[in-house]
Amino acid sequence: DAMVIQNPRYQVTQFGKPVTLSCSQTLNHNVMYWYQQKSSQAPKLLFHYYDKDFNNEADTPDNFQSRRPNTSFCFLDIRSPGLGDAAMYLCATNGLASNEQFFGPGTRLTVL
Amino acid sequence: GENVEQHPSTLSVQEGDSAVIKCTYSDSASNYFPWYKQELGKGPQLIIDIRSNVGEKKDQRIAVTLNKTAKHFSLHITETQPEDSAVYFCAASISSNTGKLIFGQGTTLQVKP
Repeated sequence: DAMVIQNPRYQVTQFGKPVTLSCSQTLNHNVMYWYQQKSSQAPKLLFHYYDKDFNNEADTPDNFQSRRPNTSFCFLDIRSPGLGDAAMYLCATNGLASNEQFFGPGTRLTVL
Repeated sequence: GENVEQHPSTLSVQEGDSAVIKCTYSDSASNYFPWYKQELGKGPQLIIDIRSNVGEKKDQRIAVTLNKTAKHFSLHITETQPEDSAVYFCAASISSNTGKLIFGQGTTLQVKP
């Protein structure tokens, strides 16, 4: 019954080595979000898609990119990970009819 | 822009006692207020929400109250159990074509057996 699925759950990469995190949803929601969450902090929105319309937060570094090839899938690309990019990355969706936002289980990224 | 303040940052209660977490928001246009529970190593889980046309909502041991005039909303957990231990986040949103949430800073709740 998983509705928002994130793969992998744990990802280890090397400093500067590009990495891609994936998210898929079975809810057919229009909006998908990517958040970064560091220890003991609230999730921080990086960007979101409304259908294919991409919306970047003003303070999201250029190092972070995203792709949404279809309604079900969304990818987070980190072009050159730094040690400061180690965090939990959360994907979420929203159908907007009820405004409820549903989160996936997250991907824990480690940068060596 | 919207700003959400959440208090306390940590809360420790004895099993069976009640727990209350409070949030304030700044933008009077906000009209949707969800609460999320996040267990260690997991994604946030929506546990209850309230919209601006309602003053109170209850779901078993969990209730949320909203005071639009004061721009306050609170989470109440009664008869706490050890499995309620987690980090709780409040959030505020303006229903729109983005559904963007503004989160509070989080409250770590510890329920002692």
